[in-house]
Amino acid sequence: DIVMTQTPLSSPVTLGQPASISCRSSQSLVFSDGNTYLSWLQQRPGQPPRLLIYKISNRFSGVPDRFSGSGAGTDFTLKISRVEAEDVGVYYCMQATQFPYTFGQGTKLEIK
Amino acid sequence: EVQLLESGGGLVQPGGSLRLSCAASGFTFSSYSMIWVRQAPGKGLEWVSEISAGGGGTYYANSVKGRFTISRDNSKNTLYLQMNSLRDEDTAVYYCAKGLMGATTNWGQGTLVTVSS
Repeated sequence: DIVMTQTPLSSPVTLGQPASISCRSSQSLVFSDGNTYLSWLQQRPGQPPRLLIYKISNRFSGVPDRFSGSGAGTDFTLKISRVEAEDVGVYYCMQATQFPYTFGQGTKLEIK
Repeated sequence: EVQLLESGGGLVQPGGSLRLSCAASGFTFSSYSMIWVRQAPGKGLEWVSEISAGGGGTYYANSVKGRFTISRDNSKNTLYLQMNSLRDEDTAVYYCAKGLMGATTNWGQGTLVTVSS
């Protein structure tokens, strides 16, 4: 199975400041069709997860442009340009290149 | 608007069975793969199973293979998860999600399954 490792596991951030979360996979996530099926999800307290980014860097419908994704191969990053109060929650990366799909452990974003 | 509504959760004894349902609306259900993901209390997300749009392809996490069966009824816009030989470690909120572009684009609110004697 592909292991997804996120860092940090906890990220205290000041409102209005940037935040960055890293996700590393134990093997390349490039699929045979040339796509890389790495996505990012946000889970606010008491809510189901919500898709933010798919295929490394594509923002899903309705996602604010302060969220961006980047990376390639085995190393990926989610960035929030200016953290807002509503961004508090846990962020997960997920790979869908190889079954079984796997998630990172989650990164808890909190306000300082 | 895409809506996914899970049902069928509850309390079951170890070794017991339960069938979860996920009623879908707001999109052409038969055109999309569907996914089950679970989350144990206070823990992270765990992918459980996926079924292709037509139902011909099914995939499982190693932890549930041989015990859980995913299925769908495209005429009823409903996804199912039959769970047998349940264990304590299967206790979790179970979410269904719509699959697209190698991602889980929409999620239900989840249904809680508690395995305990």
